Amino acid sequence: ELVLTQSPGTLSLSPGEKATLSCRASQSVSSSYLVWYQQKPGQAPRLLIYRASSRAAGIPDRFSGGGSGTDFTLTISRVEPEDFAVYYCQQYSSSPPGYTFGQGTKLEIK
Amino acid sequence: EVQLVESGGGLVKPGGSLRLSCTDSGLTFSSHTMNWVRQAPGKGLEWVSSISSSSGSIYYADSVKGRFTISRDNAKNSLYLQMNSLRAEDTAVYYCAREFDSRSRFDYWGQGVLVTVSS
Repeated sequence: ELVLTQSPGTLSLSPGEKATLSCRASQSVSSSYLVWYQQKPGQAPRLLIYRASSRAAGIPDRFSGGGSGTDFTLTISRVEPEDFAVYYCQQYSSSPPGYTFGQGTKLEIK
Repeated sequence: EVQLVESGGGLVKPGGSLRLSCTDSGLTFSSHTMNWVRQAPGKGLEWVSSISSSSGSIYYADSVKGRFTISRDNAKNSLYLQMNSLRAEDTAVYYCAREFDSRSRFDYWGQGVLVTVSS
């Protein structure tokens, strides 16, 4: 069974700083199915990055994704006030068929 | 414009049943695999179930297998989740989410509906 482990659990930064969020898979996965979401309190998740590194429509270019195999990263080049939220990675698994989410990384204001 | 709206949540006793609905106001509902994802209070996201566009492929998380049934009615642009034998640990906000294409990202989400299982 695929497990996604996100780190750190909480990241405290000031606006303007660079954020680096990690998502580690328990087994090698296809980057084609690695996705990142942002969720703010009381809201549904919002698609940020798909296929590990492609930005979704309307997502600012300060957000970027990368990685392969078991290690993936979401980077925010300069954190804006509206970026403070929880970020989840997601991966499709074929055995058994379904989706796995990481436990989330909370980006908070320092 | 795709807009997913869930309904049917509420308070139910352990062992009880509830049926959630998700309606899509867009024009392409019948072309997409749909999913249910839940989030327990203060917790992370958990995928629950998915159903392909033609209902030919259906999958469940182990935590709900045998208790929950996903279905859809493309003529009504609607997705359903029949939840039976509910447990306290099923308490969560349930989101419906559209899958952009096979095995890929969830590009549209509903606003979520709260299900509370408590005596």
